[in-house]
Amino acid sequence: GEDVEQSLFLSVREGDSSVINCTYTDSSSTYLYWYKQEPGAGLQLLTYIFSNMDMKQDQRLTVLLNKKDKHLSLRIADTQTGDSAIYFCAESWDSNYQLIWGAGTKLIIKP
Amino acid sequence: DGGITQSPKYLFRKEGQNVTLSCEQNLNHDAMYWYRQDPGQGLRLIYYSQIVNDFQKGDIAEGYSVSREKKESFPLTVTSAQKNPTAFYLCASSDPGQGAGGELFFGEGSRLTVL
Repeated sequence: GEDVEQSLFLSVREGDSSVINCTYTDSSSTYLYWYKQEPGAGLQLLTYIFSNMDMKQDQRLTVLLNKKDKHLSLRIADTQTGDSAIYFCAESWDSNYQLIWGAGTKLIIKP
Repeated sequence: DGGITQSPKYLFRKEGQNVTLSCEQNLNHDAMYWYRQDPGQGLRLIYYSQIVNDFQKGDIAEGYSVSREKKESFPLTVTSAQKNPTAFYLCASSDPGQGAGGELFFGEGSRLTVL
């Protein structure tokens, strides 16, 4: 069945780059998403990538997609304290746009 | 400003009581969703509705009920049949015809605690 896996925690120093990884199992995915959840709040779409793309860059964010390995990553350059949050990877694969979610990676910023 | 409003933000319930969580959106979205979030787990879909007066069960619908009488509103009732209702509940909406294949817009969530 479909499954999306992420590490539960990532700790980085302020100013360093953060790389959050995600693996998925359904090769028919149409879109792959990164959502951000700040403490006690709902989720916000951070960025997304079409399954026929390899890379997408948006300011400090870089998304890399390796379709062969079914691996998605989110790189945050110059990580700031405001980046502290849980980052969810998700894929959509059917015409109803139902999402399959990873468990979320909590990004911890060390001073 | 357009968005999704969930209420209440915090709710306490005694065992055996039904509670209803409110979700209202003014984004003119056709699709609405209810998710449950537990620590260390991804979001799990409870119910979703693609159009007014229609809704489908998600992965964990047992012990929950919904209605979709108006486009703007999608309330969730947590019934006494739900064995482990303490969780963070998130409502979302989307318009599959727009944007990133149906980007989800989320409310701020409702935290339900059963005493």
